[in-house]
Amino acid sequence: DAKTTQPPSMDCAEGRAANLPCNHSTISGNEYVYWYRQIHSQGPQYIIHGLKNNETNEMASLIITEDRKSSTLILPHATLRDTAVYYCIVRVATGGKLIFGQGTELSVKP
Amino acid sequence: DAGITQSPRYKITETGRQVTLMCHQTWSHSYMFWYRQDLGHGLRLIYYSAAADITDKGEVPDGYVVSRSKTENFPLTLESATRSQTSVYFCASSESQGAGQPQHFGDGTRLSIL
Repeated sequence: DAKTTQPPSMDCAEGRAANLPCNHSTISGNEYVYWYRQIHSQGPQYIIHGLKNNETNEMASLIITEDRKSSTLILPHATLRDTAVYYCIVRVATGGKLIFGQGTELSVKP
Repeated sequence: DAGITQSPRYKITETGRQVTLMCHQTWSHSYMFWYRQDLGHGLRLIYYSAAADITDKGEVPDGYVVSRSKTENFPLTLESATRSQTSVYFCASSESQGAGQPQHFGDGTRLSIL
């Protein structure tokens, strides 16, 4: 599974969009990009995943560059409850294990 | 309530003792996983199971034993606990390993070994 690089920390103002970047320059054609987050003292929570196309669900949007070497998770209107560590993970569609890196610690401030 | 539950939430024990962490899911998911989370290492996979009676090692299996006699349960046993096994343990499940099948995590067990 390809390795990912994320900034260790980011701040965002409450109500603004939070844009979390992830580099995965060695991603293979059959690997998906997944995003999870972990709020303090809780288990990781699945957010969204994608292969090539941009994806949107009730939690977030995922923008993947055309060359698939990087992606951005967008929380459109961040709230204080979005303060968490966000993990970007790439893995193959079947059989691939989730390998968590250090993630980005997002602090949403009033 | 449906979901994935871990017990106990907190456990303190002594070195050399056997301790079992329980994980129960109500979704009838085929796959179940055990991770440990330590500062500086993120989450690391200990063991996983593709179905009842099928288990396989993850990244850090030494010192742990698992079993899966029923689909809904996946206990993790430390046969002789060591201080290095002090950690937060997370159980997860997923319907399959295919794309679009996320893993759902429990709230963890904080284990301290004195």
